Amino acid sequence: DIQMTQSPSSLSASVGDRVTITCRASQTISNYLNWYQQKPGKAPKLLIYSASGLQSGVPSRFSGSGSGTDFTLTISSLQPEDFATYYCHQSYSLPLTFGGGSKVELK
Amino acid sequence: EVQLLESGGGLVQPGGSLRVSCAASGFIFSSYAMSWVRQAPGKGLEWVSTISGSGDTTYYADSVKGRFTISRDNSKNTLSLQMNSLRAEDTAVYYCAKTFSGSYRSAFDIWGQGTMVTVSS
Repeated sequence: DIQMTQSPSSLSASVGDRVTITCRASQTISNYLNWYQQKPGKAPKLLIYSASGLQSGVPSRFSGSGSGTDFTLTISSLQPEDFATYYCHQSYSLPLTFGGGSKVELK
Repeated sequence: EVQLLESGGGLVQPGGSLRVSCAASGFIFSSYAMSWVRQAPGKGLEWVSTISGSGDTTYYADSVKGRFTISRDNSKNTLSLQMNSLRAEDTAVYYCAKTFSGSYRSAFDIWGQGTMVTVSS
């Protein structure tokens, strides 16, 4: 199974900050890497697909990069509605696996 | 509007069975693989199962293989998950999710609101 390791598991940030979350795969997954945002009590929401594709309707302050084993989700200027938990997900091979999550909290 | 609506969750005793369903609307259901993803209370996301658009290919996580069965009815735009021999560790919110493309090698672009399954005596 491909293990997905996210870091940090939590972070404190202020509105306007630039935030970077990293996801590392235990083996190469090409660009089969997706990012989701989840708020408490809600379903996850797709932000980024195929490592760098911005999902329709998602603000341009979200961006993704990487290929192979190392990937990054960046929020260029954190907004109040961005405080949430973020998950990476590899769709390269079965079983599909998720990272453990990165919780972005208000400093 | 593209929408997924789960139903059928509830409380069941260990060893019991439960069937959860997902009603899809707003897209050509048969063109997309569909999946179930679960989330135990306070935990992260776990993939459970995927079924191809035609329904002829299914995939399962090892943790549910042999106990859960995924199926779909393309005439009714419905996805189902039959869960047998339930264990306490199956307690979770179960989400149905649509794949971005026709294959399992794809992001989940649409999610339902989730249905809670609790396994407890």
